[in-house]
Amino acid sequence: EDKVVQSPLSLVVHEGDTVTLNCSYEVTNFRSLLWYKQEKKAPTFLFMLTSSGIEKKSGRLSSILDKKELFSILNITATQTGDSAVYLCAVGANTGTASKLTFGTGTRLQVTL
Amino acid sequence: DTEVTQTPKHLVMGMTNKKSLKCEQHMGHRAMYWYKQKAKKPPELMFVYSYEKLSINESVPSRFSPECPNSSLLNLHLHALQPEDSALYLCASSHKTVLGSYNEQFFGPGTRLTVL
Repeated sequence: EDKVVQSPLSLVVHEGDTVTLNCSYEVTNFRSLLWYKQEKKAPTFLFMLTSSGIEKKSGRLSSILDKKELFSILNITATQTGDSAVYLCAVGANTGTASKLTFGTGTRLQVTL
Repeated sequence: DTEVTQTPKHLVMGMTNKKSLKCEQHMGHRAMYWYKQKAKKPPELMFVYSYEKLSINESVPSRFSPECPNSSLLNLHLHALQPEDSALYLCASSHKTVLGSYNEQFFGPGTRLTVL
């Protein structure tokens, strides 16, 4: 059975801190690893990683994948209160006719003033 | 148009009612998905449609019946639900690449369902 584990489960930091969120996985037919941010409603897409060692960056957020060790990290530098959300890691596997995402339980980040 | 829309936003129904959830996208995506999300839990996959055909059913009870009438629309028909089916129901869509892989899934805002 496919498994995605995120750590920590929750985190409280002060504005301006840097945080690192972790995601490890065991998935058959791995194709991609995705990070989503979920506030009140739908998850919003952040990054998709398919190749090892290549960092994806968007503003203060960055992510990297290690396919040998089966994990990914999401870094957020200079955190702001607007970064408070649940960050979901999902691993995509192709079934041949469609892709299937298996989500981790998420890391709940709270950024305080 | 780069969004997935879902209606209704909220739905309250009794255990004997029949209702439907609707999802629409105009991004040309050929894969569409239904997820169920309970409070403080990650989304759980229910169904996947690829090119309007059901390709994955994650052992979902038959009181949930999906339908994909065309490439832009996805419905979820609900009948004789239980209170434990109360959850946020999310629809998503994704594009298939020329290499046969599927790109990132884009999610709609969800329908919050309460079963009394």
